Amino acid sequence: GEEVAQTPKHLVRGEGQKAKLYCAPIKGHSYVFWYQQVLKNEFKFLISFQNENVFDETGMPKERFSAKCLPNSPCSLEIQATKLEDSAVYFCASSQKQDSTGELFFGEGSRLTVL
Amino acid sequence: AQSVTQLGSHVSVSEGALVLLRCNYSSSVPPYLFWYVQYPNQGLQLLLKYTSAATLVKGINGFEAEFKKSETSFHLTKPSAHMSDAAEYFCAVSEGWGKFQFGAGTQVVVTP
Repeated sequence: GEEVAQTPKHLVRGEGQKAKLYCAPIKGHSYVFWYQQVLKNEFKFLISFQNENVFDETGMPKERFSAKCLPNSPCSLEIQATKLEDSAVYFCASSQKQDSTGELFFGEGSRLTVL
Repeated sequence: AQSVTQLGSHVSVSEGALVLLRCNYSSSVPPYLFWYVQYPNQGLQLLLKYTSAATLVKGINGFEAEFKKSETSFHLTKPSAHMSDAAEYFCAVSEGWGKFQFGAGTQVVVTP
C-alpha cells in the first residue's frame, strides 16, 4: 500500500498479559523500524529490519520484547507479560533504502495501555 | 553519542506571525539533522533534513531550517504561521540508518 499500516490502533491489556502489534510497510519498502513513544513525547528506537533479517536490535528490552518480519506477512512486535511501563504508542516506520539521510515513513501508531 | 535539545516545550504564536523552534545538537561527527511534525493521533511526517549539503534547508509547508555549526544549532522557522501548523514538532539527529535520537518535542499552538 501507499501508507504504513499499523494494527490495532488501540490495545488494552492487563498486567502480565501478552500484547502483539502488527505493521505492514509501504509496498516496495524493504526496511522496517519500530519506535516506542512514552509519555507523548519521548521516542525510543527499538529495532530495525532489512526484509526478514534483524539489522539493529540495540533498543529492544532483552526480556519480554520480540519482533519479526516474515515474508508475505505483516511485521509484528510482541510483548510477553506486559508491565505498566510498557504503556506507550508504538510506531512502525518503513524506508526504501539503507541510508542515514533517508526518510522514514511512519504509521499512525498503536496505542498500548497496560492496566 | 549524539543528542538534540529542543528549547521550549510549548510555543504559542499568532496566526501570521513568525514561527521559531529551537534545536541544538551534540555530535562528535558531522550530523544528519531532521525536523519531523506530528499531528494529533498521527505518526511523524518529515518536514526537512540537513545532510551536509546546503546549510539553509527548505522543507514542506513553508518551513525552513538553517544549520549553524558554530552554534551547533538547527532552528526551524516559518515566516507566517497558519492555523494548520498547530502540532508537535520534533528535532532529530541520525545515529545511523533509520535510528534517530529525537528531542523532547515542542508543541506549537496557533492563536487567531
